[in-house]
Parts: sequence; C-alpha cells; structure tokens
Amino acid sequence: AAGVIQSPRHLIKEKRETATLKCYPIPRHDTVYWYQQGPGQDPQFLISFYEKMQSDKGSIPDRFSAQQFSDYHSELNMSSLELGDSALYFCASSWGHGDNEQFFGPGTRLTVL
Amino acid sequence: DAKTTQPTSMDCAEGRAANLPCNHSTISGNEYVYWYRQIHSQGPQYIIHGLKNNETNEMASLIITEDRKSSTLILPHATLRDTAVYYCIVRVGDKLIFGTGTRLQVFP
Repeated sequence: AAGVIQSPRHLIKEKRETATLKCYPIPRHDTVYWYQQGPGQDPQFLISFYEKMQSDKGSIPDRFSAQQFSDYHSELNMSSLELGDSALYFCASSWGHGDNEQFFGPGTRLTVL
Repeated sequence: DAKTTQPTSMDCAEGRAANLPCNHSTISGNEYVYWYRQIHSQGPQYIIHGLKNNETNEMASLIITEDRKSSTLILPHATLRDTAVYYCIVRVGDKLIFGTGTRLQVFP
C-alpha cells in the first residue's frame, strides 16, 4: 500500500540558512500533520492542515512556516536555521478531519552545522 | 504536556503476550486513546485506538477501563520484531501528544 512520502530523507544545512521539507500524503488523504523529534526526545506536534487550511498549531517557531497545496502535498519552510533545529521531521497524513488515525512517513533528518 | 504515564521499560519473552499499561487519569470524555510504536528512528507506526470500548485488530488488542483512566495494550504473541518504543497517546484536537513511552524488549 502507498505510504506517506517525505523528501529529502536527509538534509545538511549551515546556521542561518533556509530549508524546505516536502510531504506527499497517502492518496486520498486530505489532512497532513508535521512533527519534530529532537535527538533522544519524543515527537512534538508542530502544525496541521485540513483541506489546505491550517487546522491546528503546536510549538512551531515563528521562523517556520508551512502550507498545504491543492494536490494536498505540504511543505515546511524553515528559515534562519539554528543548531537546535537539528532533528527528525515527520509528516503524517489522514483521511478527513477528526479522530482518524494518522499515518507517518519515514521522516527527514535535518542536520544544522 | 503529555496526558499519559507509562513504565519506562518492559521485557517480554518471544511468543508470550506483552501487556503494556498506561494511565491517563485526566482524559476528557471525548478524547481518544491511541497507541503507536517507533522502531529505532523510523516513523511512528499506528497500532490501535479507542474511546471507551475494547478494540482489537490484526496487530493488538486495546483494553480500556470503564472509568477510562487507564488502558492496556496487548500484543498476543510477541516476536523479536516487536521490540520498539510503545507510545500511549491521548489525542487533543489534531495533536498526538507523545509522552516518553515504554521501551519493550522482546527476548528469545
């Protein structure tokens, strides 16, 4: 079965640079979620989108922004990168809004030097 | 903040049932309990979720107490590939609020 696709899988950036992470949800899923998992930490919710509108927001820094496009894929834009942004970034998708299960992608490992 | 508490770690013999407990005493009436697991640094894998009735699927069973303040995930026949961190999660809106999870080690 098709799964959530994230690209790139690995990304290395310098401090103060920008990064764009992409997420392609499972076909027919219209809701996407972004999570950040720092080294040795548990995943933390960042933001979600349903039908191209922001749905919920967590502890996402102001330097980060995200959007969902008409084909339901989503992009997480990160500017003025800091060392502390080094983490795994997971995207998840679900069908519809509410209590449907979220299916996670393999993640993007971002390293900021 | 996480709304769940779990044991830090558990062991289970291969082929035996693994019973993973979770406390969620502050859960609200319309909040679901979800279970996910994470193997190494892979994306969290959905296992099961429920509101107040017990649930079963091909992976596991979820037993929720009548007062909904605790639940137990049951893996009926644990295998070595079930070694992972298991997260019990109370979903708040869109957010899956992960706690520290239980590291389950299945041994031969």
